[in-house]
Amino acid sequence: NAGVTQTPKFRVLKTGQSMTLLCAQDMNHEYMYWYRQDPGMGLRLIHYSVGEGTTAKGEVPDGYNVSRLKKQNFLLGLESAAPSQTSVYFCASSYSPRTTQSYGYTFGSGTRLTVV
Amino acid sequence: AQSVTQLDSHVSVSEGTPVLLRCNYSSSYSPSLFWYVQHPNKGLQLLLKYTSAATLVKGINGFEAEFKKSETSFHLTKPSAHMSDAAEYFCVVSDIRGKLIFGQGTELSVKP
Repeated sequence: NAGVTQTPKFRVLKTGQSMTLLCAQDMNHEYMYWYRQDPGMGLRLIHYSVGEGTTAKGEVPDGYNVSRLKKQNFLLGLESAAPSQTSVYFCASSYSPRTTQSYGYTFGSGTRLTVV
Repeated sequence: AQSVTQLDSHVSVSEGTPVLLRCNYSSSYSPSLFWYVQHPNKGLQLLLKYTSAATLVKGINGFEAEFKKSETSFHLTKPSAHMSDAAEYFCVVSDIRGKLIFGQGTELSVKP
C-alpha cells in the first residue's frame, strides 16, 4: 500500500518553463489537496479537489492550474514558472471531511522545486 | 473562519529539559486540532490529534498536548527533550469543510 506518491522529488526549472507535478493515491480517497511550504509561513493551500472531475481554489492559487481527470491522480501545473514559486510542494488526500477531522490527511513526501 | 497562531518561530532547549511549543487557535465551533512534525528534508508526520474526546492528548515519542477551550490553546509539551526531537512542528486546525489550516511552524533546536 503506497499511500500518496509524488513525482518528481526534486526539480530545477528556468524562469518561464512549464512543468507538471503528479500526485497519486491508492486509498480510494475522494479529497485531494496541493500545499506549498515556505519558511515562516507554514503550509498554504494552493488548490484542492473534492472528487474526480472537480477542482477548487485554495489560499494561494495564482500561477498554478490543476486537474483531476482520474480519482487517484491530482496534477499541479505551472505554466510559466517564476522564482517566487520556488518552494516545497506537498500533496495530501483524505476520504472525507469527517475523516479529516478525525485523522488528518495522508501526505506525500514532497517535491522540492527551485526556479532560477 | 478557523486559524492557528504558533507563538514562537524558534525554541531552543537543552537535552533532558522540558519542551513547550505554544499554539492558539480561533474557531467558531468545536475544532479538531493536530500537531504535525517535520524532520529536516522529510515529510510530515502526525504527532497527535484532539477530536473532542479527552482534553489531554498523548501522542508519539512522549509528546502530549492539552486542549484548553477557555484559553483557546493547544500547547505541545514533552517532559524531557531528546536530540532526535529537533525538527519543525506545526499546529493545525481542521475547518468545517475538512481542510487543514496550518500555523506558521515552530523550529525546535535541542542542544547537547
